[in-house]
Order: sequence, then structure tokens, then C-alpha cells
Amino acid sequence: GENVEQHPSTLSVQEGDSAVIKCTYSDSASNYFPWYKQELGKRPQLIIDIRSNVGEKKDQRIAVTLNKTAKHFSLHITETQPEDSAVYFCAASIHNDMRFGAGTRLTVKP
Amino acid sequence: NAGVTQTPKFRILKIGQSMTLQCTQDMNHNYMYWYRQDPGMGLKLIYYSVGAGITDKGEVPNGYNVSRSTTEDFPLRLELAAPSQTSVYFCASSGVVGEKLFFGSGTQLSVL
Repeated sequence: GENVEQHPSTLSVQEGDSAVIKCTYSDSASNYFPWYKQELGKRPQLIIDIRSNVGEKKDQRIAVTLNKTAKHFSLHITETQPEDSAVYFCAASIHNDMRFGAGTRLTVKP
Repeated sequence: NAGVTQTPKFRILKIGQSMTLQCTQDMNHNYMYWYRQDPGMGLKLIYYSVGAGITDKGEVPNGYNVSRSTTEDFPLRLELAAPSQTSVYFCASSGVVGEKLFFGSGTQLSVL
């Protein structure tokens, strides 16, 4: 099955700096790549996603890039704010089989 | 819309006990999923369903059973609880196969 690896496991940045989280996947048939944000004690919530026929997608301060050849994708958060502090999960999906990375705990220091 | 509703929020079980985690959604989604999340880990797929009457195993199905008698409900059954099943369980649904999961608020289960 699909294997998703996510790095780093923890990331600390100063408010206003950028944050980048990277994921790799193993199955070239994966065609959908979402990113979820999970605040402490809360449910995961989708923040951005990208399909395999698109290289980059942006939504305000958040962007995702996909390199199908290298089988990796990244989440970029610019102008980070304290409320961006959370655990972020990447995932890769083939039909109903969505596999998640282990998560990145992002801390934004004021 | 309430979205995806899970009950209970917390539960403590003794080894060998059984229980059912309830999940219901009001978005008329065909696709429903059960995940478990161990501390500091990502989510692992236990079972999923593509519609009423159809279920299939995910990555970690051992020790669990599911049923899908209606579009709205997708309960998860633990028959003989073991300490290894201590985890947070999330139910999710989607309107498009394998995409844009809407999660419930989770059930924190401890097996002692």
C-alpha cells in the first residue's frame, strides 16, 4: 500500500516567518494530496488540497506544491501567525485509500 | 447541518469488554471512514464504506467490525477490547471518493 513520510516532525518559527513542511509518497498512482490542520483536542480540518494534474495551488497565505516525478509535495505557510500553531498532516489518496503522514507540530512564537 | 457526529466522546473499557462507537452524518455522503489516531501519530484507516451495505477493510482492521445499513450511519464495533486499541477514533465522510474528508469530533477510548 501507499506509504507517506512527513518531515519535519516538529517546526518552530517566529511570527511572520515562513514555514515549509514536506511529504513524500510511494505509490505513483496516488492522485489526490490534501493537507489537514489539527488543533489540540480538535478534529482534523482540511486546509488545502491538490490533485495530481496540478503543480501548485495557493489560498491566501497557504500554498501547496506537487512534484509527481519525485513523488513529493510540500505545504508552504507565509507570514505565520500564532493561530497557525497546530499539527499539520499531509495525505495521499488512491480512490478510498487515504494514507496520512505522521504529522508536523508547528509552533509559531509571538 | 450537524456534519459528522460521533458518540461517545470518551470511554474507558476493561480488557475483553465490547462496545460500539456511533457515527452519523447528515450530508448525504456515500463514503464513510473510520480512522484511529495514536499519540503523536497520523491517522490509520480501519474500515471504510462506499455506500449502504458495502464495507471494506483499511490498513488496520483487526479487532474491529463495521456495518452500514443506512447512508447516514456507520458504527464501529470492538468485540474484545485490548490495550492496543487505546486510541482516539475519528469517523469521517466524503461526498467524492477518497477526497475532502469531513471528520467527526473523535472518541477517546482507553482500554485498561
